[in-house]
Amino acid sequence: SYVLTQPPSVSVAPGKTAKITCGGNNIASFSVHWYQQKTGQAPVLVIYFDTERPSGIPERFSASNSGNTATLTISRVEAGDEADYYCQVWNSDNNHLVFGGGTQLTVL
Amino acid sequence: EVQLLESGGGLEQPGGSLRLSCLASGPAFNNFAMSWVRQTPGKGLEWVSTITGSGDRTYYADSVKGRFTISRDNSKNTLYLQMNSLRAEDTALYYCVSDRRQQAIHFQGFYWGQGTLVTVSS
Repeated sequence: SYVLTQPPSVSVAPGKTAKITCGGNNIASFSVHWYQQKTGQAPVLVIYFDTERPSGIPERFSASNSGNTATLTISRVEAGDEADYYCQVWNSDNNHLVFGGGTQLTVL
Repeated sequence: EVQLLESGGGLEQPGGSLRLSCLASGPAFNNFAMSWVRQTPGKGLEWVSTITGSGDRTYYADSVKGRFTISRDNSKNTLYLQMNSLRAEDTALYYCVSDRRQQAIHFQGFYWGQGTLVTVSS
């Protein structure tokens, strides 16, 4: 089965840039989606199809996907960005949806 | 904007059954693929099952295949998850999730409900 690997935690100071990675074998051949989940809330889609932002998501959120790593970048980090972030793909080889293990973003 | 409201969770004994429902409000429910995703408190997201907008195709995680059945009634704007032979490890918050497209491939969770809690314990 396909595995997505995320760092358990990332810390960043306010105003700086946070990068959250999602590793997978040849992940560039997949469409990667990213979710933000704040404590006690349902997840929210922040990036879909590798780089697209849903309406209402700030431009500070961007992403890339190349080789074996997809990356979510949050620029000018704010305290309100503190959350768990998950990457996700659809594996067409077995028609399974796969989530990464999640990364807890801490704003220092 | 689609709003999703789950119901049907509760306490059930191992080996028992539960049926979860998810009522969708908003346009064109039958145009959207839907999924169930679960989360154990303090843990990550786990995919359970997905169904296409028309309901003609269904997909399951290995951990639930043969025990859970996803279905939908587009005339009632409702998604279901029939859960049989429940195990302790099925204990989780179950989210109803909607894409904005018919097909399941490349499923993206644009809309999420608030979840319904399932507890399997004797």
